[in-house]
Amino acid sequence: DAGVIQSPRHEVTEMGQEVTLRCKPISGHNSLFWYRQTMMRGLELLIYFNNNVPIDDSGMPEDRFSAKMPNASFSTLKIQPSEPRDSAVYFCASSPFRYTDTQYFGPGTRLTVL
Amino acid sequence: KNEVEQSPQNLTAQEGEFITINCSYSVGISALHWLQQHPGGGIVSLFMLSSGKKKHGRLIATINIQEKHSSLHITASHPRDSAVYICAVRRGGNQFYFGTGTSLTVIP
Repeated sequence: DAGVIQSPRHEVTEMGQEVTLRCKPISGHNSLFWYRQTMMRGLELLIYFNNNVPIDDSGMPEDRFSAKMPNASFSTLKIQPSEPRDSAVYFCASSPFRYTDTQYFGPGTRLTVL
Repeated sequence: KNEVEQSPQNLTAQEGEFITINCSYSVGISALHWLQQHPGGGIVSLFMLSSGKKKHGRLIATINIQEKHSSLHITASHPRDSAVYICAVRRGGNQFYFGTGTSLTVIP
């Protein structure tokens, strides 16, 4: 099994640009999570999908952030427009059934907004 | 106020030592997770607990729901155990709260 795949692994962009982060969960997993990690705030859960449906997006910081899961094998996290304070490592994780299960994390995308 | 507090923040141990990392939380929870973040940044889920104790190899995790406390123990520590260990709790619904992590260094 390839595990959770994220792309790109590193992204450097300029303030105001649109950024799209991608995630492919483990095949057969029904739940998908997007997290953000910064030195100041640690790990934060941004949004959680179950069976491709967003269940809770209360962790999404503001309207500049949006996430989609058009099918069971793909999800995107978009930031438009990006700001320097969005610089962080963004992790995607998936779990077999629900958020009660063990989560499998992707390698993360390190985003730097200049 | 942090809903999840970990101690210690930093820990250095000699290879072979028994290690304990503590996690206290202030909210009612339905599950507690222990995560390991390697120096390269990758995150691995070690345990998910709702009661009692779990063991995997040299790692043991316990939880006391009444005292709102969990511990992660590492027996016969090894330099490859060097990582940041993060405690996370899940409330009813989908709220997750994360500790700030314990940075462990095991010296050969």
